[in-house]
Amino acid sequence: AQRVTQPEKLLSVFKGAPVELKCNYSYSGSPELFWYVQYSRQRLQLLLRHISRESIKGFTADLNKGETSFHLKKPFAQEEDSAMYYCALSSGSARQLTFGSGTQLTVLP
Amino acid sequence: DAGVIQSPRHEVTEMGQEVTLRCKPISGHDYLFWYRQTMMRGLELLIYFNNNVPIDDSGMPEDRFSAKMPNASFSTLKIQPSEPRDSAVYFCASSLDRATEAFFGQGTRLTVV
Repeated sequence: AQRVTQPEKLLSVFKGAPVELKCNYSYSGSPELFWYVQYSRQRLQLLLRHISRESIKGFTADLNKGETSFHLKKPFAQEEDSAMYYCALSSGSARQLTFGSGTQLTVLP
Repeated sequence: DAGVIQSPRHEVTEMGQEVTLRCKPISGHDYLFWYRQTMMRGLELLIYFNNNVPIDDSGMPEDRFSAKMPNASFSTLKIQPSEPRDSAVYFCASSLDRATEAFFGQGTRLTVV
């Protein structure tokens, strides 16, 4: 069975500091991984997906199959990055998502 | 399109009462998902539909939970009877097909007292 682990429930950094949100997965097949973000009082929305290999709002994430990780990184955090971040793995016939437990990121001024 | 629409946004009910949550997916999307979000367990998939047909309901916690999708534009998640441990935020999501991202609704915050 697939599993997604986000070891940090809470993460605080100062504005301008680098930030890394950790995500590890276990899956027997070829994984497709995502990061979703939920800003305060807003709906969950896709931030980025590993197959796109793109940078969104300054965030990047690289799939490391050897370490089974998909950590989310940003070199200079901004206050508006404060949100709940979920790592997710897509599997199954409908590519349904299995989510990690989430990391609440707070960027301090 | 206004996106995935869920109603109500908030629901407070007494233990033992029936609760019905509603979802309108994005027009043209073939897949509809119901998720539950709690502090303890995070986001869990409850059930999903493909072309209005329930495909996998293995995430539904108990027989008290049931979900229907009578047509392509409407789905319900019903809890009968409700219990305090059902208190959570319930999200509905839809996707165009297997290859595209899922779009989430605003969620329904359910409190059972």
